Amino acid sequence: EDQVTQSPEALRLQEGESSSLNCSYTVSGLRGLFWYRQDPGKGPEFLFTLYSAGEEKEKERLKATLTKKESFLHITAPKPEDSATYLCAVRSSNFGNEKLTFGTGTRLTIIP
Amino acid sequence: DGGITQSPKYLFRKEGQNVTLSCEQNLNHDAMYWYRQDPGQGLRLIYYSQIVNDFQKGDIAEGYSVSREKKESFPLTVTSAQKNPTAFYLCASSWQGGSPLHFGNGTRLTVT
Repeated sequence: EDQVTQSPEALRLQEGESSSLNCSYTVSGLRGLFWYRQDPGKGPEFLFTLYSAGEEKEKERLKATLTKKESFLHITAPKPEDSATYLCAVRSSNFGNEKLTFGTGTRLTIIP
Repeated sequence: DGGITQSPKYLFRKEGQNVTLSCEQNLNHDAMYWYRQDPGQGLRLIYYSQIVNDFQKGDIAEGYSVSREKKESFPLTVTSAQKNPTAFYLCASSWQGGSPLHFGNGTRLTVT
């Protein structure tokens, strides 16, 4: 069974204090790893897709990386507006059947 | 502006009543999905549809029903058979072929 585990569950940082969120996964036949940002009471907003180990994507203060077992979302010099829950999802393919499995998210709080 | 519209944002119902959640998209996406989000759990797939007039059960379809009569619309009915219907419901859409999901802003359903 596919599994996606995100850590930590919650993270509080001072404004400007860089850190990383982790998404570890075990799937059969990785077809893509997705990062989303979710604000309270809203739907997830797509950030990045990574397809193969070694791939990296950047957007403003966020950088996502991928290895064969995990992905990191690095946040550099965060601002209060970066506070949100960050979700990781993995798409796998097994005998032609595709499945998308979500982690439970990391709730990030940036303190001014 | 292209996007996914879910309505209403909040919905209150008495136990034993069926209720229908609306989802409309103008992104011209082929595939549409319904997810349920509960605290401390990853998003769980209820139903999905890859083409008009066709849909498949997800992981937690019991007590739910859907229809896909138009490409743009994918309403979800929560029936009285759903044992624990109070949750945050998210509708999503995507192109075929493993592209990322785009989400609406959700409907919070409370059943008392």
